[in-house]
Amino acid sequence: DAGVIQSPRHEVTEMGQEVTLRCKPISGHNSLFWYRQTMMRGLELLIYFNNNVPIDDSGMPEDRFSAKMPNASFSTLKIQPSEPRDSAVYFCASSLRKDNEQFFGPGTRLTVL
Amino acid sequence: GQQVMQIPQYQHVQEGEDFTTYCNSSTTLSNIQWYKQRPGGHPVFLIQLVKSGEVKKQKRLTFQFGEAKKNSSLHITATQTTDVGTYFCAGRYPGSARQLTFGSGTQLTVLP
Repeated sequence: DAGVIQSPRHEVTEMGQEVTLRCKPISGHNSLFWYRQTMMRGLELLIYFNNNVPIDDSGMPEDRFSAKMPNASFSTLKIQPSEPRDSAVYFCASSLRKDNEQFFGPGTRLTVL
Repeated sequence: GQQVMQIPQYQHVQEGEDFTTYCNSSTTLSNIQWYKQRPGGHPVFLIQLVKSGEVKKQKRLTFQFGEAKKNSSLHITATQTTDVGTYFCAGRYPGSARQLTFGSGTQLTVLP
C-alpha cells in the first residue's frame, strides 16, 4: 500500500494567491482528516470527513479555508486568499474508521510570502 | 474547553538514560493514542490505550493510562539515538464529535 499521498510536498506562494492542497487517503479508509502544524500552535485538526461527508469543521480558521471530498479517494484543502500566517505544514490523515489509528501523509509545507 | 496538556516540552538525555513524557486532561478521556514524529517527518501511530489503568509495552516503550482515564505516560527505557523525535499524545473525549485532541508534544533529543 502506498500510504496516504499528498501533493504538492512543498508550495511557495505570494500573499493573496489561491492555494490548493491535495490528498489521496489509503484505499478502504472511511475517515479523512486535515491537520495544520506550526511551532506556535502545534498540531491542530482543521476538518474531518466520514464517508466523504464533513463531520466537524470547527477547526477551520476562517472562511478563507475550505475543504472538499468529492469521492472516497480524493480530498482538497483550499485557501483563498492565502496570507503569510497560513504558512505551516498541512497533514492529511486517514483511518479505517473514525475511532481507529490515523495514518498520516508526508505533509505539504506551505510558505506564503 | 477540552485540552490535553503534555510535559515536558523538551527533553535532552544521554544515550542509555530513561525518558518519560506525561499527558493530562482535566476531564475523562474515552481513550488515548500516542504518536511519534521524527524530525522532518509525519506523525506515526504507536499505540492506543482504552481501559482504566491499562499498561502496554512495546520493547523499550511502556505506555500507561491512569485509573481515572485523565492522564497517560510514555516511558522509554535506555534511550537510543533512534528514539529521537517528538512524541505526541492524543486524547478522545466521550460524546464529542471532535476527533483526537493532540497534546503539544515532547521533543526528545538523545545525545550519543
